[in-house]
Amino acid sequence: RKEVEQDPGPFNVPEGATVAFNCTYSNSASQSFFWYRQDCRKEPKLLMSVYSSGNEDGRFTAQLNRASQYISLLIRDSKLSDSATYLCVVTPLSGGYNKLIFGAGTRLAVHP
Amino acid sequence: EADIYQTPRYLVIGTGKKITLECSQTMGHDKMYWYQQDPGMELHLIHYSYGVNSTEKGDLSSESTVSRIRTEHFPLTLESARPSHTSQYLCASSDLGESYEQYFGPGTRLTVT
Repeated sequence: RKEVEQDPGPFNVPEGATVAFNCTYSNSASQSFFWYRQDCRKEPKLLMSVYSSGNEDGRFTAQLNRASQYISLLIRDSKLSDSATYLCVVTPLSGGYNKLIFGAGTRLAVHP
Repeated sequence: EADIYQTPRYLVIGTGKKITLECSQTMGHDKMYWYQQDPGMELHLIHYSYGVNSTEKGDLSSESTVSRIRTEHFPLTLESARPSHTSQYLCASSDLGESYEQYFGPGTRLTVT
């Protein structure tokens, strides 16, 4: 079983739609959680960290459910520029070298 | 924008050739990483470094080797390229502190024929 599992999608949504992705992780001792964004054939970039209390950054809201071991990302009012692959990332309890474990990503395609 | 660079961006090379993928960062980060990513798949850590003269193997076994002689430079070498090495190689760096944010270079897309 993979340490981080995501629905690969693609999620095809019209502009202005609200879309949500979930991600599950297998290690209950995981310490920190993130969403990275990766455009086609580009490098990943940090989108936002995910805190236990949930956090919001503009149109993006991230939630963490430790009991069920899942993380969610909600995008409101989707823009064409949101089209990308969203990577769920977790860190183990002890990494020493800032270890990141990446999911394979969920692909989002926003159309006019 | 992160100041981390990789060269070449694209490389097509024949089997058996020795290759070095370059990675440099100007942020003064102590920690650097090499990941391998196949299309539609997750990133897998193949090497990392805490600082100068420190290198460790990552989670995914790789026939490549790395060196860290200078803080800003973390090259990856394949002594004898094979078609199974065809992949995208991403270099990243992060601060020594508690931040887990890693900054990625643009990647090198390697094709071994």
